[in-house]
Amino acid sequence: QVQLVQSGAEVKKPGASVKVSCKASGYTFTEYYIHWIRQAPGHGLEWLGWINPKTGGTKYGQEFQGRVTMTRHTSISTAYMELSRLTSDDTAAYYCARVKYNGGWFPPDTWGQGTQVTVTS
Amino acid sequence: DIVMTQSPDSLAVSLGERATINCKSSQSVLYNFNNKNYLAWYQKRPGQPPRLLISWASTRESGVPDRFSGSGSGTDFTLTISSLQAEDVAVYYCQQYYSALDPWTFGQGTKVEI
Repeated sequence: QVQLVQSGAEVKKPGASVKVSCKASGYTFTEYYIHWIRQAPGHGLEWLGWINPKTGGTKYGQEFQGRVTMTRHTSISTAYMELSRLTSDDTAAYYCARVKYNGGWFPPDTWGQGTQVTVTS
Repeated sequence: DIVMTQSPDSLAVSLGERATINCKSSQSVLYNFNNKNYLAWYQKRPGQPPRLLISWASTRESGVPDRFSGSGSGTDFTLTISSLQAEDVAVYYCQQYYSALDPWTFGQGTKVEI
């Protein structure tokens, strides 16, 4: 079955970087985009951006420009989201989601289980 | 960016009663060429990923109980839970996926309680 499995929880110090992985299975990795969304405690859902696993092309939310990098390793069907210069405001659960694009977006049909990132000194 | 605004921020509904959540987008999310509204509704429980309930404003996803329904077009949308069950306690979000190159945006969420 289609699955996205994310890496485990992380604890980071302010100013550090974190890299979260999202391993896909049950489908052809390059046929669907991967979007990243997060939810901070007490806050709503926030979109970080997407990566096209086929081309490596990316689009980032303006708030994260210069701090976020999305990459992929197609041979192991894994997408990555790296966020740098962490602050306490980056403490959140980070989710990857599979999204079809066919001349227009479809809504995410599969989500990873989430990765808790905690930024604390 | 398209701004999504939900109302109310929270609501308390008795078991078996109807819950109605509204979502308004700052611009239309309807593509005229295919007459589809690029609007989704999600249920979010603590510690779980969002669950897609409704896509294209009104298409219920497989496995979603039929007490959940979506309606609306253009800029104004509604999620209705016709008969609230205990397991429906959650936060509900609307989201637009309209533009290929613009950011996806979510409403601020509506907390549904009993």
